[in-house]
Order: sequence, then structure tokens, then C-alpha cells
Amino acid sequence: KAGVTQTPRYLIKTRGQQVTLSCSPISGHRSVSWYQQTPGQGLQFLFEYFSETQRNKGNFPGRFSGRQFSNSRSEMNVSTLELGDSALYLCASSFLGQGADTQYFGPGTRLTVL
Amino acid sequence: GESVGLHLPTLSVQEGDNSIINCAYSNSASDYFIWYKQESGKGPQFIIDIRSNMDKRQGQRVTVLLNKTVKHLSLQIAATQPGDSAVYFCAENLNYGGSQGNLIFGKGTKLSVKP
Repeated sequence: KAGVTQTPRYLIKTRGQQVTLSCSPISGHRSVSWYQQTPGQGLQFLFEYFSETQRNKGNFPGRFSGRQFSNSRSEMNVSTLELGDSALYLCASSFLGQGADTQYFGPGTRLTVL
Repeated sequence: GESVGLHLPTLSVQEGDNSIINCAYSNSASDYFIWYKQESGKGPQFIIDIRSNMDKRQGQRVTVLLNKTVKHLSLQIAATQPGDSAVYFCAENLNYGGSQGNLIFGKGTKLSVKP
């Protein structure tokens, strides 16, 4: 079974631009979560989607948004990029996203904001 | 490779020795805990998990211990190998009965295995 895939793997943007990242979960998984990883703050939860609905949201500004499609694929968007948005963005999928469901991570998208 | 964390606590062990990585979690209401391994340039990889109604769980070469009294988790790796070199994260889930999407991660420990 193919793992979680994320595209693109690397992105370079400038301040003020917007960016869209894509995540394809493991086949059959319906829950997709997004995390931001930086050296200073570590891994921080952004949001989680299940059946095209956002179920949980972390403590990030409204510039960070996401969506999930009917095939469970998910995208996240960051508008008006700031230098501090430079990070590794990780997507994780699980079957139902409940209880002891294991979350499996993709390789991440490395975003650099200049 | 990409740096997954600067100024991380580092554990250096000799190949073949046992490793113990510790983690203090934040919320006494957390009821599900996971250990992940992250190698340079890759996403976190699931190692082992444990529910709050257990205090020990064993996998292949790994054991997780949970002490709820002091909110402490540990990961023991037996016969550590060079391929175990990575950053190890513990994560807690605050809402076991509901949505598990929100995992709270620790800062991570870098394990370095000397051949």
C-alpha cells in the first residue's frame, strides 16, 4: 500500500505570496491532519479534516486554511506569507482519526519564504 | 539533510547498547501516547503506542513505559543499531474518545549511535 504523499517536496516563495500544499492520504484513510515543524517550535498541529469537514484546529492565524476533497485528498493554503512561515509542513493520515488510530506521516513539504 | 530541530537533547550510545529516551508529557487527561522516529529529510515514522490503561508495552526491540503519576514516558531500544540514529518524539492525544487529529508533540531527542 502506498504511503502518504505530499507535493511539492520543496517550495520557495517570497513574502506576501500565497501557497498551496497537497496531501494524498493512504488509500482508505479518511482523516488527514496537518502539522508545522520548525526548529524553534517543533511539531505543531494546524488542523484535521475528516469527510471533507474540519474537525479540529490548532492555534494558527486565519492565513492558514485547508480543505479536504471527497477522495480524502487534502490541501492547505497559506496566504500573505511571512518569513516565519518557513517550515516543514507535514501531513498525516489515519483511518478514522479516532481513538488509537495510528497517524502515518508523509515526507513533508519544505517551504522557504524569502 | 534537513534539520528537524536545533539544540535538541542528545543521547549518544554505542552500537549494541540499550538506549532509553525519556519524555515528560503535559496533560494528565491525555489517554493515548505515541513514539515517532524522524530521520533527516523524512516525516515522522510510527514506532509504538500505548494507552493510558497500560503501563508497559513491548514491540520489536522497543518497549514503552508509562508512568501516569509523574506524567512520564520512556522508550527503550534494545541492542541499538546505527540505523536507529534519528530524532525521537513522544506525542500525546488529549481526546482519545473523540478526534485524534490533534497530537501534541514533545521537543524531541536526538539519538546518535556510535559504531
